[in-house]
Amino acid sequence: SQQGEEDPQALSIQEGENATMNCSYKTSINNLQWYRQNSGRGLVHLILIRSNEREKHSGRLRVTLDTSKKSSSLLITASRAADTASYFCATTAGAQKLVFGQGTRLTINP
Amino acid sequence: SQTIHQWPATLVQPVGSPLSLECTVEGTSNPNLYWYRQAAGRGLQLLFYSVGIGQISSEVPQNLSASRPQDRQFILSSKKLLLSDSGFYLCAWTPGGLTEAFFGQGTRLTVV
Repeated sequence: SQQGEEDPQALSIQEGENATMNCSYKTSINNLQWYRQNSGRGLVHLILIRSNEREKHSGRLRVTLDTSKKSSSLLITASRAADTASYFCATTAGAQKLVFGQGTRLTINP
Repeated sequence: SQTIHQWPATLVQPVGSPLSLECTVEGTSNPNLYWYRQAAGRGLQLLFYSVGIGQISSEVPQNLSASRPQDRQFILSSKKLLLSDSGFYLCAWTPGGLTEAFFGQGTRLTVV
């Protein structure tokens, strides 16, 4: 079963705007990760936030985690056309399995 | 440095034929290994994962099986493919523990 569920399913914005994607999950987690997938390719890891962290930054990426609401958000600032991709959250809990959500398809219009 | 190899990149197979997809990891030992399937425009469905040689955990009942004959080799198999087995199959590994995963480039399987 899917642990993480992203929202929205699809997002289209203009280049230079900020993009925000959300992820909700159901059970307690050890950490939450965000990945990016270009069409027809494998996934690339973007950022990992541990359950005892609330916010993390990496370049133009900002991730927040609210364990009380079982939710996370990924913010991409100053978006570029090259950011067009699908973005997935993934959670690990207990057993060493990594479970992904359905993803958000992000389109950056030039 | 660690690398992951997954092949073939694309595969067209008739219904009822067998399947064998192979994934190997280099530059690390005792990785956790994963097989995922992704339907078009959808998320990743975890099929199998393995924390050691011969140790396979199956996530969903299906027409597929997995094996780990060597530490850094993970194989996805089927004796008889179904149309519903079509999809994009991704292999991934983690260094053990709860850290980031590294993905292969995927195999696009079309069952005809």
